[in-house]
Amino acid sequence: GAGVSQSPSNKVTEKGKDVELRCDPISGHTALYWYRQSLGQGLEFLIYFQGNSAPDKSGLPSDRFSAERTGGSVSTLTIQRTQQEDSAVYLCASSLMGQPNTGELFFGEGSRLTVL
Amino acid sequence: AQTVTQSQPEMSVQEAETVTLSCTYDTSESDYYLFWYKQPPSRQMILVIRQEAYKQQNATENRFSVNFQKAAKSFSLKISDSQLGDAAMYFCAYRSGATGANSKLTFGKGITLSVRP
Repeated sequence: GAGVSQSPSNKVTEKGKDVELRCDPISGHTALYWYRQSLGQGLEFLIYFQGNSAPDKSGLPSDRFSAERTGGSVSTLTIQRTQQEDSAVYLCASSLMGQPNTGELFFGEGSRLTVL
Repeated sequence: AQTVTQSQPEMSVQEAETVTLSCTYDTSESDYYLFWYKQPPSRQMILVIRQEAYKQQNATENRFSVNFQKAAKSFSLKISDSQLGDAAMYFCAYRSGATGANSKLTFGKGITLSVRP
């Protein structure tokens, strides 16, 4: 498909386990974003990748969270030693930088993480 | 840092009627973009409408229009002729327009809109 693809769609894990969430952005989009959406909350920014620049990790809530983007395309968000408060929907988005730049982010359907 | 506030957690509208969703923001910048995104139960966020701060004219997309009040830092969304498919969560978002600025969006907490048949 032509849209942002995320996997898995749903993930249930036990407290203390590590999880990996994958995002495949729209082809040609150089910017990639991860957001977290907790129940009843808005979207919390986690991390932003832009081309070959150093990522903006300012939103990562703890050192248990990390993300990488290989080859400027697919990104993986890793959560180590998961806690129950990590339960949320993790949304990935991509955007086109340079002209024309409408500022619009294109989102995937998210990965719902449940930590038991 | 910029903040986006959506003070109404829920709203309801009768089908075919008009509803307005409120959003305010705080910024010291003069160049920025504002967005309304829709999130249906499928979870995928969809852009509804966008507004460039330098444009005085309010953006319009079919049944959706905004009332952009730059001085008041207000950006409300009006949905006309509401349809059942409009039921969703709506998020207001801000993006800096400054050269070289990070292009991430700052979101409000969202508002759940229900449409009564």
